[in-house]
Amino acid sequence: DAKTTQPNSMESNEEEPVHLPCNHSTISGTDYIHWYRQLPSQGPEYVIHGLTSNVNNRMASLAIAEDRKSSTLILHRATLRDAAVYYCTTTRTGGTSYGKLTFGQGTILTVHP
Amino acid sequence: EAQVTQNPRYLITVTGKKLTVTCSQNMNHEYMSWYRQDPGLGLRQIYYSMNVEVTDKGDVPEGYKVSRKEKRNFPLILESPSPNQTSLYFCASRMGAGLYEQYFGPGTRLTVT
Repeated sequence: DAKTTQPNSMESNEEEPVHLPCNHSTISGTDYIHWYRQLPSQGPEYVIHGLTSNVNNRMASLAIAEDRKSSTLILHRATLRDAAVYYCTTTRTGGTSYGKLTFGQGTILTVHP
Repeated sequence: EAQVTQNPRYLITVTGKKLTVTCSQNMNHEYMSWYRQDPGLGLRQIYYSMNVEVTDKGDVPEGYKVSRKEKRNFPLILESPSPNQTSLYFCASRMGAGLYEQYFGPGTRLTVT
């Protein structure tokens, strides 16, 4: 499973876009990129995932670099409810560590009113 | 409502007293996992199961047991708890590996004195 590197913390103002970066330079060709977030006193929740192409859903967008060694989670308009720890992770679809999600320290996102 | 449930949510126990934390999912998911979360160490996988009767060790399996006799249930067993197992525990499930999102339970806060 690929090691991921994220900034320890980021800050944003409410209603502004937020770009959360993640490096996964050892990712292999069949590894999926997943993002999760953990709100205070809750379990992690799924945000978005992708393989090669950029992805959009109701929560966020995921931009994946052409070489797949990095990705960026985009929150288009941050709200106070988006304040959380955001985890970038990768997961294998075959071979050893099949299906395993390895979570790093994540990025603490603070949203200011 | 699709969900992962854990019981109990809070537990204080003494060293050496066997305990079981239950986990159940109602989404017919094949893949289930247990994680522990500790300050500064993030989320670490304890055990995972790819299907009924198929389990394997994660990153920190020492001192824990699991079983998967039914698809929906994945209990975590501490045969002889010790204080270093004081932690926040999360159960998670997903349809399969790789491209599927993972759903987490609400967490069980365990204190071993």
